[in-house]
Amino acid sequence: GDSVTQMEGPVTLSEEAFLTINCTYTATGYPSLFWYVQYPGEGLQLLLKATKADDKGSNKGFEATYRKETTSFHLEKGSVQVSDSAVYFCALSDRSGGSYIPTFGRGTSLIVHP
Amino acid sequence: NAGVMQNPRHLVRRRGQEARLRCSPMKGHSHVYWYRQLPEEGLKFMVYLQKENIIDESGMPKERFSAEFPKEGPSILRIQQVVRGDSAAYFCASSPLSFWDEQYFGPGTRLTVT
Repeated sequence: GDSVTQMEGPVTLSEEAFLTINCTYTATGYPSLFWYVQYPGEGLQLLLKATKADDKGSNKGFEATYRKETTSFHLEKGSVQVSDSAVYFCALSDRSGGSYIPTFGRGTSLIVHP
Repeated sequence: NAGVMQNPRHLVRRRGQEARLRCSPMKGHSHVYWYRQLPEEGLKFMVYLQKENIIDESGMPKERFSAEFPKEGPSILRIQQVVRGDSAAYFCASSPLSFWDEQYFGPGTRLTVT
């Protein structure tokens, strides 16, 4: 079945540091890929997405590129802020067979210190 | 425009009691999804409903769990005879269409079974 693997957290950085959170996936079809962010005490919010190979999703300074050859969708940000502290989830939606049920990774906690 | 509302935000139940979790989708949304988030794990899909219909319940445990989305009123996730293993955060999401990447999540209900 489909699966998503994220790097374990927590990731602890100082403000203005460069961020990378690794995400790799396995899928039977040709999935769409997503990053969600969950702030403390809140539900998930869609951060960015990519629907085909070599697409780059971007939002709020975050970027991720759909790499089919390495089955990866790593999240990056050039300069993190304290307000970016949250849990980040990588997810895929594999529409083969008409299923829209998404698969989520376990989440990576990011802690940014001033 | 109010977002997805869930209540209660926190629910404590003793083993053997019933838990009822409510979800009011965003205005104009007729598709509702329930997910469970266990500690240190990602989100697991439970059930997908449209008004008065269960579309996909492949992630729902076979016993003690049920869900409904009546013509009027919120969607209800019901857990009968709760056990400690049911302790988790339960998230509801809604969408206007059946494409999951337009889902909007509620803040979740944190269920604790004592």
